[in-house]
Amino acid sequence: QVQLQESGPGLVKPSQTLSLTCTVSGGPISSGNYYWSWIRQPAGKGLEWIGRIYTGGSTNYYPSLKSRVTISVDTSKNQFSLKLTSVTAADTAVYYCAREAQYVWNSWGLDSWGQGILVTVSS
Amino acid sequence: EIVLRQSPATLSLSPGERASLSCRASQSVSNYLNWYQQKPGQAPRLLIYDASNRATGIPARFSGSGSGTDFTLTISSLEPEDFAVYYCQQRTHWLTFGGGTKVEIK
Repeated sequence: QVQLQESGPGLVKPSQTLSLTCTVSGGPISSGNYYWSWIRQPAGKGLEWIGRIYTGGSTNYYPSLKSRVTISVDTSKNQFSLKLTSVTAADTAVYYCAREAQYVWNSWGLDSWGQGILVTVSS
Repeated sequence: EIVLRQSPATLSLSPGERASLSCRASQSVSNYLNWYQQKPGQAPRLLIYDASNRATGIPARFSGSGSGTDFTLTISSLEPEDFAVYYCQQRTHWLTFGGGTKVEIK
């Protein structure tokens, strides 16, 4: 049973870089056919996908955030990370890490999620 | 960008009643449409993948249908634990989510 856990600062100043890490337990992050995603949710609002990294290392980013986002993986620590630069108050949200798994050929779903971490952007 | 519009925003029902939630895409997503349930203070949980397939451990009272641009999540008989917010999500072009439907107790 895979488990995901987000960690990082809960408060970031405007214009700085938000950095979060997701630690995966229950199996090696580098094996299997998975995407590892970051998703955020402002208070009282809906879900916004930020981007993902594939087991093989390729990345996809949501177009509106692409210029500010980097997702990377550290297989030695079984972690993947999010960096979001030049943050503003609009980036305040609960940030989730999640695994996208393939159920059968070409059928994918976000089947495992971390509990989420609240990040506030404020001076 | 593919926009998903969910309706209604809020659905007020009693336990035992049938719930029908709609998700409409701005362009065809084939059957690449998933549904999630989110309770307060919790992460979302995958219910349905590829429009009509229940994820592991999801009760049979949850069913999904549709293809192309129009999709429906049906809860055949609401249990107390089903009152939550439900999101649809497409994966045809990146990943995007709908705005959610809150199913509340009437």
